[in-house]
Amino acid sequence: QTVVTQEPSLTVSPGGTVTLTCASSTGAVTSGYYPNWFRQKPGQAPRALIYSTSNKYSWTPARFSGSLLGDKAALTLSGVQPEDEAEYYCLLYYGGAQPWVFGGGTKLTVL
Amino acid sequence: QVQLVQSGAEVKKPGASVKVSCKASGYTFTAYYVHWVRQAPGQGLEWMGIINPSGDGTTYAQKFQGRVTMTGDTSTSTVYMELSSLKSEDTAVYYCARSRTNLGAAGGFDIWGQGTMVTVSS
Repeated sequence: QTVVTQEPSLTVSPGGTVTLTCASSTGAVTSGYYPNWFRQKPGQAPRALIYSTSNKYSWTPARFSGSLLGDKAALTLSGVQPEDEAEYYCLLYYGGAQPWVFGGGTKLTVL
Repeated sequence: QVQLVQSGAEVKKPGASVKVSCKASGYTFTAYYVHWVRQAPGQGLEWMGIINPSGDGTTYAQKFQGRVTMTGDTSTSTVYMELSSLKSEDTAVYYCARSRTNLGAAGGFDIWGQGTMVTVSS
């Protein structure tokens, strides 16, 4: 069974920079896994931030960026705002019988 | 505007089935896949499956095969997700989300429904 692993929790100061990562139990994450990133605030539906590693939506704040970092996918927030406090999920594509797998989520605290 | 609007909350008994709808508006219905994702209370997101509303087929996560059926109605721009043999562990919020068919896996899950709470309890 494929497992996608994220940091369970991270803390960052307002105005700071933080990087969240997304690892695959199958090995290095590449662009062929089409990493997606989502933000979810309590009681709300997830909101898409990044698709296909580094592509942003029209509504994605400029302080968010996606990349590959070593053998993982990464989401970097630069100039963190208090409203960035949320749960962040990555999503990877594997194809076949189980095409998409979510990571367990990272709870980001802005303190 | 572009949106996915889901049906209301459901309460079901163990062993029953539930059918959740997801109505699309503001875009060409057949140009996007629809995914179903669920989230148990206090837990993370879980991908359940995908349907091509054009009628080209479905793919279900192995965990749900045999219990889930996803269908689409192009006349009403609505996709349905039916889950049978419900257990207490199926208590969750169920979301639909779309992605572009012409981009395949490269297209993101850009628009999400508001979620439907399904409670399974005797």
